[in-house]
Amino acid sequence: TQLLEQSPQFLSIQEGENLTVYCNSSSVFSSLQWYRQEPGEGPVLLVTVVTGGEVKKLKRLTFQFGDARKDSSLHITAAQPGDTGLYLCAGDTGNQFYFGTGTSLTVIP
Amino acid sequence: DAGVIQSPRHEVTEMGQEVTLRCKPISGHNSLFWYRQTMMRGLELLIYFNNNVPIDDSGMPEDRFSAKMPNASFSTLKIQPSEPRDSAVYFCASVQDLVTGELFFGEGSRLTVL
Repeated sequence: TQLLEQSPQFLSIQEGENLTVYCNSSSVFSSLQWYRQEPGEGPVLLVTVVTGGEVKKLKRLTFQFGDARKDSSLHITAAQPGDTGLYLCAGDTGNQFYFGTGTSLTVIP
Repeated sequence: DAGVIQSPRHEVTEMGQEVTLRCKPISGHNSLFWYRQTMMRGLELLIYFNNNVPIDDSGMPEDRFSAKMPNASFSTLKIQPSEPRDSAVYFCASVQDLVTGELFFGEGSRLTVL
């Protein structure tokens, strides 16, 4: 059973385009995190959102936590080849971190 | 700090052999997690420890898998006997604070069972 479902699973876009990745669950989380993973490495934290409705911006990346703390989205503006990687959301139940199914992003120069 | 250190980085073994994966968490981190990553199933939580005590091992696939954390600076994940379906990348991660904490991952151990 997968607690967190991400969509799309794969995304290939041209440099300069915008994109949104979704992370959905029927469970409520105390916080939600987004990680990026590059080939041959472990995931690295991008952001943590805690409050329902919270929006955080990290340069060209905008993260939103749903009002009910069950879902989240990641929006990238003007994607660059350096954004290529596997994006993972992770829900924190207070004592465990459950990871989403992942979105593999490829940005073509 | 050197970060979370895992060994070996790559392991190729034959079915039926014992495999031991090792992890050194970041000093001062109180919780340690073992994950397995495959294309089909993504990143799955196998087991996690808090203050060296196993808290939840419900993700461990079967009795062939076992994990220990004898002290705050070392953990092992053992598979005996190994099977081809165990082939995956195994990650260890540690966190200082479980509440809104950041998981720090090692570089992973890529296991191939022939």
